[in-house]
Amino acid sequence: GAGVSQTPSNKVTEKGKYVELRCDPISGHTALYWYRQSLGQGPEFLIYFQGTGAADDSGLPNDRFFAVRPEGSVSTLKIQRTERGDSAVYLCASSPTGGYGYTFGSGTRLTVV
Amino acid sequence: AQSVAQPEDQVNVAEGNPLTVKCTYSVSGNPYLFWYVQYPNRGLQFLLKYITGDNLVKGSYGFEAEFNKSQTSFHLKKPSALVSDSALYFCAVRDTPGANNLFFGTGTRLTVIP
Repeated sequence: GAGVSQTPSNKVTEKGKYVELRCDPISGHTALYWYRQSLGQGPEFLIYFQGTGAADDSGLPNDRFFAVRPEGSVSTLKIQRTERGDSAVYLCASSPTGGYGYTFGSGTRLTVV
Repeated sequence: AQSVAQPEDQVNVAEGNPLTVKCTYSVSGNPYLFWYVQYPNRGLQFLLKYITGDNLVKGSYGFEAEFNKSQTSFHLKKPSALVSDSALYFCAVRDTPGANNLFFGTGTRLTVIP
């Protein structure tokens, strides 16, 4: 596609529920990143995929967070047992080969109530 | 650990005046430095980067940044501000040598006053 697409754009969920956030990167981009941006903060790195595999998941805050990219294109970020502190904008980015000129999506605003 | 600091939460400048958004960094190894801009309800957009070469880097929309190793700074500049430049600006540094992810600053909100 023309850009990085993230769905949904907004998600409100109750504490304790499970959520999935989807990222559709630019076609042909092998590198995909997830970041989280809390209010008043810069984006924080969560996980980086090169192709289908997670090359670096050191930013995932705990084992409630998991991400997959089974076919090397679309990625899903999964959050189990959501907590109010998970409320943030979740950003996805892709790049052709892992270089630094990422293209970011518009993000999914997650609100846990 | 790598880090960046954006000492100003907010910068106001009159339209047509030069603008500067400040960034200082702390890294081990060679710094890879970046500027991104975030417009309301839109994703972060890449402006420019410094990896090696000339200390003055030119980027998108007329922006430029000067890498200053002795002052560990990478300030973003534009000679003549436009109202449409009003946005949130983030400085970023490669997280660790060899890493592919970036460590972002807390952002500076630029407001250009007509």
